[in-house]
Amino acid sequence: RKEVEQDPGPFNVPEGATVAFNCTYSNSASQSFFWYRQDCRKEPKLLMSVYSSGNEDGRFTAQLNRASQYISLLIRDSKLSDSATYLCAVKGTALIFGKGTTLSVSS
Amino acid sequence: DGGITQSPKYLFRKEGQNVTLSCEQNLNHDAMYWYRQDPGQGLRLIYYSQIVNDFQKGDIAEGYSVSREKKESFPLTVTSAQKNPTAFYLCASSVTGGDYSNQPQHFGDGTRLSIL
Repeated sequence: RKEVEQDPGPFNVPEGATVAFNCTYSNSASQSFFWYRQDCRKEPKLLMSVYSSGNEDGRFTAQLNRASQYISLLIRDSKLSDSATYLCAVKGTALIFGKGTTLSVSS
Repeated sequence: DGGITQSPKYLFRKEGQNVTLSCEQNLNHDAMYWYRQDPGQGLRLIYYSQIVNDFQKGDIAEGYSVSREKKESFPLTVTSAQKNPTAFYLCASSVTGGDYSNQPQHFGDGTRLSIL
């Protein structure tokens, strides 16, 4: 099993849709989790950290399920500008990244 | 403005040549990292350093070398031993230790390396 796995997509959704991404991790001792956004040919940028109790930032909600070892990202009311690749990351000595899930939002 | 600066943005390597990618940060972060990203792939860790004058190999260190003589700087050399160097190289930094152990990494805007 790979350390961090994501469904690569692509997810093609219309504007206004709700979309959810999942990410599984193999190291049960992992303590820190993050979602990054990466635009085409750009560096990843931190979208949000993922806290044990779940957390929300505007239209974005992150959840952690330690028992099943997965984290999720929910995007509500999708905008065209949400089109990007979303990378989950799990903290070891350094961050370990999934391969990313591509989201395409269309009008 | 505080941040991470990578240079050059684009770099071309000839056969048998070593090239060095620069990464400088003014965030006063202790830890610095180098990742490689191939098209359609995630980021793979090359080397990391948690303190000056110390660094550790990541998952794909073969054909690469680093140094950490100053807190602000973590240059990466792609040696001629790296047979497939064409990729997007990303440098990152983070605070470490104590209450900061759960802090994320922040990235520079990357260097694209190609073979001539």
